[in-house]
Amino acid sequence: DIQMTQSPSSLSASVGDRVTITCQASQDITNYLNWYQQKPGKAPKLLIFDASTLETGVPSRFSGRGSGTHFFFTISNLQPEDIATYYCQQYGNLPPTFGGGTKVEIE
Amino acid sequence: QVQVVQSGAEVKKPGASVKVSCEAPRYPLTNYYVHWVRQAPGQGLEWMGVINPGGDKTRYAQNFQGRVTLTRDTSTSTVYMELSSLRSEDTAVYYCARQSLGRVRFFDWLPLGSFDYWGQGTLVTVSS
Repeated sequence: DIQMTQSPSSLSASVGDRVTITCQASQDITNYLNWYQQKPGKAPKLLIFDASTLETGVPSRFSGRGSGTHFFFTISNLQPEDIATYYCQQYGNLPPTFGGGTKVEIE
Repeated sequence: QVQVVQSGAEVKKPGASVKVSCEAPRYPLTNYYVHWVRQAPGQGLEWMGVINPGGDKTRYAQNFQGRVTLTRDTSTSTVYMELSSLRSEDTAVYYCARQSLGRVRFFDWLPLGSFDYWGQGTLVTVSS
């Protein structure tokens, strides 16, 4: 199975800050990489697919980039409603696997 | 907005089976691949398996082979996940997720893509 390593596991930042999460795949997955947001007690929500394409309706302060084995997810202007855990997920190989998650908190 | 609805919470004893349903009343899951993902308390997301629109093909994660069965009722577009031989470690929230019709990568018969709509989750508690 492809291992997805996310870092950091948690972070705390101020409203308006720019935060970046890293996701590293154990092998090349081209750009078959999605990012999800999960708020406490809720189901995950798709934010970005194919490493960098924003899902319809998702605010433009969210962005993604990367290819191969290194991927980055950025929130450019952190808002209070962005408090959540973020997961990367690869579909470059079976089975699809998720990163361990990054919990984002507001300072 | 697509709403995916799952059946309610379950409490089961070790060794029992549980069957969870998943449907999208206003936007039927008829033409969609449906995946199941579980999340143990305080833990991350774990993929369990997928079923095709026709309900005649499934693919399961190795960790669940022999214990999980995905089925679907094509007349109602309801998808089911049954997990047998339950143990305490199976206590988790179980999600179904619809696969997007967008870009996919093919593995034999299975086109694998992103999960665009998820059910609300079903808590399964396994306790004696």
